[in-house]
Amino acid sequence: QVQVVESGGGVVQPGRSLRLSCAASGFTFSSYGMHWVRQAPGKGLEWVAYIWYDGSNKYYADSVKGRFTISRDNSKNTVYLQMNSLRDEDTAVYYCVTGLGGGNYFEYWGQGTLVTVSS
Amino acid sequence: DIQMTQSPSSVSASVGDRVTITCRASQGVNSWLAWYQQKPGKAPNLLIYAASSFQSGVPSRFSGSGSGTEFTLTISSLQPEDFATYFCQQAGSFPLTFGQGTKLEIK
Repeated sequence: QVQVVESGGGVVQPGRSLRLSCAASGFTFSSYGMHWVRQAPGKGLEWVAYIWYDGSNKYYADSVKGRFTISRDNSKNTVYLQMNSLRDEDTAVYYCVTGLGGGNYFEYWGQGTLVTVSS
Repeated sequence: DIQMTQSPSSVSASVGDRVTITCRASQGVNSWLAWYQQKPGKAPNLLIYAASSFQSGVPSRFSGSGSGTEFTLTISSLQPEDFATYFCQQAGSFPLTFGQGTKLEIK
């Protein structure tokens, strides 16, 4: 069955960096686009970034553009989110999500990894 | 960016009730609209995509309708496991955006 497992969350000071990883299994990873979606404590959902199946195209929310970078390694069935210049408002649970049919509906979600930005 | 607005923000209902949640887009998204259910401490779960298509395994008491800028999610007869928060999401253009959520509570 499809599984996505995030890792790399933790507590980080404002201005510092963190890299999240998402290991996927149970499907042909190299054929599917992948998303990151986040949820601040007690708040709603915010889409963060998307990468095409082959990594050739990437899209970002305005709130993270220029600070976050999504990438993937299809040989490792893994997608990454490099987060630089972190701010208090980046505190959230970060979910790695498959796109339904590789597209823009969020089908399979990981359990999430908590990122806390605090001094 | 396309803004998604849900109403109501919260609703109280009883088991067996029919409930409708509305989602409005600030500009047309054709039928590029999904609905998710989220329970506390859990990741969201895709219920409906393309405005009215059922995700595999979703009970038939859930249904979606609409196109353009106005959409609805209807639960025909509430079951105890349906009390949760529901989000709409437009999938028509980047940045992808969600509604603020509707919390469905037990009356």
